[in-house]
Amino acid sequence: NAGVTQTPKFQVLKTGQSMTLQCAQDMNHEYMSWYRQDPGMGLRLIHYSVGAGITDQGEVPNGYNVSRSTTEDFPLRLLSAAPSQTSVYFCASSEGDVPSTIYFGEGSWLTVV
Amino acid sequence: EDKVVQSPLSLVVHEGDTVTLNCSYEVTNFRSLLWYKQEKKAPTFLFMLTSSGIEKKSGRLSSILDKKELFSILNITATQTGDSAVYLCAVDVGRFTGNQFYFGTGTSLTVIP
Repeated sequence: NAGVTQTPKFQVLKTGQSMTLQCAQDMNHEYMSWYRQDPGMGLRLIHYSVGAGITDQGEVPNGYNVSRSTTEDFPLRLLSAAPSQTSVYFCASSEGDVPSTIYFGEGSWLTVV
Repeated sequence: EDKVVQSPLSLVVHEGDTVTLNCSYEVTNFRSLLWYKQEKKAPTFLFMLTSSGIEKKSGRLSSILDKKELFSILNITATQTGDSAVYLCAVDVGRFTGNQFYFGTGTSLTVIP
């Protein structure tokens, strides 16, 4: 039961470096999204996609890029890491066009020094 | 602007107590409300509510939605130390062709033996 798989689980970056968080789902879900979770802030939406080739910004998109070339994959790119991007990142997916639960990956703990 | 507010922010109770967690929302397009439990890792699904007045129940946990007053409650009876977690409320605003979830900041529950 793979569900939503995201990698890496832990990463330390230096300020200015770039990196990509990978996310894949095997449930044929149309909707995929990236959240970041900071203490006292809850889960905040970074970017989302309603299908292959379609992406849009969420609440906190600055400093991040996404693409959706296939239904399965939705990578999140940090263009030039900043200490403010130290956070826990969750990839998630859901069915899309019906009320459905949202399924989360295990999370990626990112520290920018 | 869509908004999901949870209260209280944190709660400390003794084992055996009953707790009520609140989630209120103001959104432009309501599709469903979801409750999740998070214990230092990815959130796990508890309930999805779409209709007013219909209680969802799972063991000692139950939840109900009031679409007129725009809130939901999550009840936990006979609390146990294993119930210690952050409880998240999310509303699916279902924009465009897919799901779009907005999360509250969560209620941190600590159950003392």
